Amino acid sequence: AQSVTQPDIHITVSEGASLELRCNYSYGATPYLFWYVQSPGQGLQLLLKYFSGDTLVQGIKGFEAEFKRSQSSFNLRKPSVHWSDAAEYFCAVGPFSGGYQKVTFGTGTKLQVIP
Amino acid sequence: NAGVTQTPKFQVLKTGQSMTLQCAQDMNHNSMYWYRQDPGMGLRLIYYSASEGTTDKGEVPNGYNVSRLNKREFSLRLESAAPSQTSVYFCASSEAPTLAGKGETQYFGPGTRLLVL
Repeated sequence: AQSVTQPDIHITVSEGASLELRCNYSYGATPYLFWYVQSPGQGLQLLLKYFSGDTLVQGIKGFEAEFKRSQSSFNLRKPSVHWSDAAEYFCAVGPFSGGYQKVTFGTGTKLQVIP
Repeated sequence: NAGVTQTPKFQVLKTGQSMTLQCAQDMNHNSMYWYRQDPGMGLRLIYYSASEGTTDKGEVPNGYNVSRLNKREFSLRLESAAPSQTSVYFCASSEAPTLAGKGETQYFGPGTRLLVL
C-alpha cells in the first residue's frame, strides 16, 4: 500500500532563510508525487508535481522539489522564505487506477515564518 | 471562473441531524472527490466520482452518502450526524486521468467546517 510520511509536524524559519520540508513515500512502482499548500481557512493549492523526467521540479511561488528514488524522498525547498509562505504543506503520492486518481496525503507540516 | 465552490462554509449540527454539503465546479472536470481533514491525519478520501453517473467509496465512507447530480455538482450527505464527523470537509475535482500529465492535479474548494454536538 502506498504511504507518505512527513516527519516534521511544525517548522519555524526566519524570513529570508532557506527552507526544506521533508517527505518520504512508500510505493511499489514509479510514484506520482505532489506538494500542496494550504493557507489558513483555505483549500489546498498545488505547488508542484512530479511524474517522470527531470528529478528537480520547479513549482509556483519559487518552490522546488527533488525526487530521489534511492531515498524514497521528495523534499520541498525554497531558497528564501517570505512571511506569506506561512501555511501548512502537504506531500501526496498517487498512481492512476482506472478513472480514479487514488491520492494519499501526508499529515502535513505547518510552517511558521518569524521576522 | 470560480473553480470549486462549496456550501455552506460552516455548520453546527446536533447528533442525529442530517445535512447535505454541496460542491460545484465550473472547470468541466470529469472526476470529483470528497475528503475530510482532521488534525494530525491529513486528508482522507470519503467518496469519489470518476465520471458523471458513477460514485465509489474511498477510505472512510461509513456514515456518508454522495450524489453526482450532474457533471458540475457532487454532494455529500450525512444522514445521522455523529460527533466523530466533526471535521473540515473538502471537495476537489480533476480532469479524468486519461491523458498523461494532464489529469492528475486536483483542485480544491475552500472547505466546509462542520461541528456536531
